[in-house]
Amino acid sequence: AQSVTQPDIHITVSEGASLELRCNYSYGATPYLFWYVQSPGQGLQLLLKYFSGDTLVQGIKGFEAEFKRSQSSFNLRKPSVHWSDAAEYFCAVGAWIVGNKLVFGAGTILRVKS
Amino acid sequence: SQTIHQWPATLVQPVGSPLSLECTVEGTSNPNLYWYRQAAGRGLQLLFYSVGIGQISSEVPQNLSASRPQDRQFILSSKKLLLSDSGFYLCASRGQTLGGYTFGSGTRLTVV
Repeated sequence: AQSVTQPDIHITVSEGASLELRCNYSYGATPYLFWYVQSPGQGLQLLLKYFSGDTLVQGIKGFEAEFKRSQSSFNLRKPSVHWSDAAEYFCAVGAWIVGNKLVFGAGTILRVKS
Repeated sequence: SQTIHQWPATLVQPVGSPLSLECTVEGTSNPNLYWYRQAAGRGLQLLFYSVGIGQISSEVPQNLSASRPQDRQFILSSKKLLLSDSGFYLCASRGQTLGGYTFGSGTRLTVV
């Protein structure tokens, strides 16, 4: 079975600074990977996903993530954070089996200071 | 693309009262459906999932139950609410392809 670790519970960055949120997964084969964002009191919105091919994937709102098989990681990055990026971010991993459930990390809360 | 409707958005219920939360899906047929709960600072906990009408799998023992009376309808219920049932409940859907979930906007349940 697959698992996901998001080692940082909280991260604070200054507006305009770069951001990297860490995600490590455990799965015996090539997984497919997602990042979601959740604003307070809202549902989760898909930022980006990786299935195969180019290991650097672009998402919405200026986010990107890089799949590194050797490190079992799928870190989320943004070159310049905006105050509106303050939210909780979830990494999720799935297996290449139709109907397989996604497994979510515990989430990272991003705070942006002006 | 899929759209998920969840209601109500907020609910305050007394301990011991019944519960019914509804989720309906548009834009897909025969989806896999999921109920998640978020307690404060606890991440996403999968409660139930369904791969078809009348098919429910429970992930954790609890005071809640789920039903799927129609292809695109998923209901979360309780006969008697406990204080520990408070939380933010999310419904999610995935079509019959390998892909991510689409989430509803959630229901904030407070049991008092």
